[in-house]
Amino acid sequence: GAVVSQHPSRVICKSGTSVKIECRSLDFQATTMFWYRQFPKKSLMLMATSNEGSKATYEQGVEKDKFLINHASLTLSTLTVTSAHPEDSSFYICSATLAGTDTQYFGPGTRLTVL
Amino acid sequence: AQSVAQPEDQVNVAEGNPLTVKCTYSVSGNPYLFWYVQYPNRGLQFLLKYITGDNLVKGSYGFEAEFNKSQTSFHLKKPSALVSDSALYFCAVRDVGNTPLVFGKGTRLSVIA
Repeated sequence: GAVVSQHPSRVICKSGTSVKIECRSLDFQATTMFWYRQFPKKSLMLMATSNEGSKATYEQGVEKDKFLINHASLTLSTLTVTSAHPEDSSFYICSATLAGTDTQYFGPGTRLTVL
Repeated sequence: AQSVAQPEDQVNVAEGNPLTVKCTYSVSGNPYLFWYVQYPNRGLQFLLKYITGDNLVKGSYGFEAEFNKSQTSFHLKKPSALVSDSALYFCAVRDVGNTPLVFGKGTRLSVIA
């Protein structure tokens, strides 16, 4: 149990296009999901907290109009990188907390490369 | 605000030897502490956590960690390292409730056969 999936696992896009990344909790419901970004050989940095049925809470320095988050259901959150630029290339990872366990389970990550 | 420090960027150990990956933390209240492991181009896998109770926490793949309140440490240990343990290890802390994790910078463990 407690599996989190992400789709796609890897995406390459042209500069100026938008890319949507999906995060799903496969066997549990998650009222809250978290989106992290990881730069090469660096730690994970929290981008935003995604809340089902309400607006996401963004960390300082994260552009909410560029990184659109939609938490449409208890098992799905999406991150859309709008008008992507090469500096948006990164590894994006989502996580969800299994209720009653205090443990966050992470998706396998999505490698975004913007040309 | 919470913070986590992993003082070592890299730890090298011979296969079969014990390993330790260090972590210290800073929190305003009671700490919720976690260790995760990341293999290349993969997400994070949960290893173990300390919420309350026994200071020695046992986790997946033979790993354990000791919570030391006086030293504000939560070092990850394994009695006998395997080559397959080579990976990037992250210590993390969070506040009570459904709050995001704050990660250390990570420590790369290399187990040499």
